[in-house]
Amino acid sequence: GENVEQHPSTLSVQEGDSAVIKCTYSDSASNYFPWYKQELGKRPQLIIDIRSNVGEKKDQRIAVTLNKTAKHFSLHITETQPEDSAVYFCAVPMTTDSWGKLQFGAGTQVVVTP
Amino acid sequence: DAGVIQSPRHEVTEMGQEVTLRCKPISGHDYLFWYRQTMMRGLELLIYFNNNVPIDDSGMPEDRFSAKMPNASFSTLKIQPSEPRDSAVYFCASSPSSGNTEAFFGQGTRLTVV
Repeated sequence: GENVEQHPSTLSVQEGDSAVIKCTYSDSASNYFPWYKQELGKRPQLIIDIRSNVGEKKDQRIAVTLNKTAKHFSLHITETQPEDSAVYFCAVPMTTDSWGKLQFGAGTQVVVTP
Repeated sequence: DAGVIQSPRHEVTEMGQEVTLRCKPISGHDYLFWYRQTMMRGLELLIYFNNNVPIDDSGMPEDRFSAKMPNASFSTLKIQPSEPRDSAVYFCASSPSSGNTEAFFGQGTRLTVV
């Protein structure tokens, strides 16, 4: 089955600095790579995703990069703000028929200090 | 659209009791997923349905767990008998029939078994 490893487990950054979280996966057939943000006591919510036919995707202050050869993808948050404090999960689909059947990484607790 | 609706939001029960968690997926979504989130194991898929049919229940931890989807707008996850180690947040998620799109999560049910 798919194995997803996520690093670091915790990340503390000063407001305005950048944060980078990296995930590696095992199944080379994977073609969809989402990132979810989960605030304390709330549901996981998709913040950005990337498909295997592109190497980078940006949405305002967040971006995801993909290296299919090395089988890793990363989340980049620039100009961090206190509201970016949350747990971030990478995920990889376990099947090709649905992108909802996900193998999640262990999560990264991001703390943005003012 | 109200999104994926789960009930109850919180459940406290005594060991040995039966617990039923409920989920209403987003209208028109043909895939429904049950996830469990714990500190030790993170987010893990328990079971998923396509067009009300269980497709993969390999994530269901024990025979004490069962899930049903009697119609397109309702699913249940039942634990009988419940044990303290079942304490977790249980999320229901749904996605459209195309499969190749994100899964939308409900608010979750926080289950505490004492």
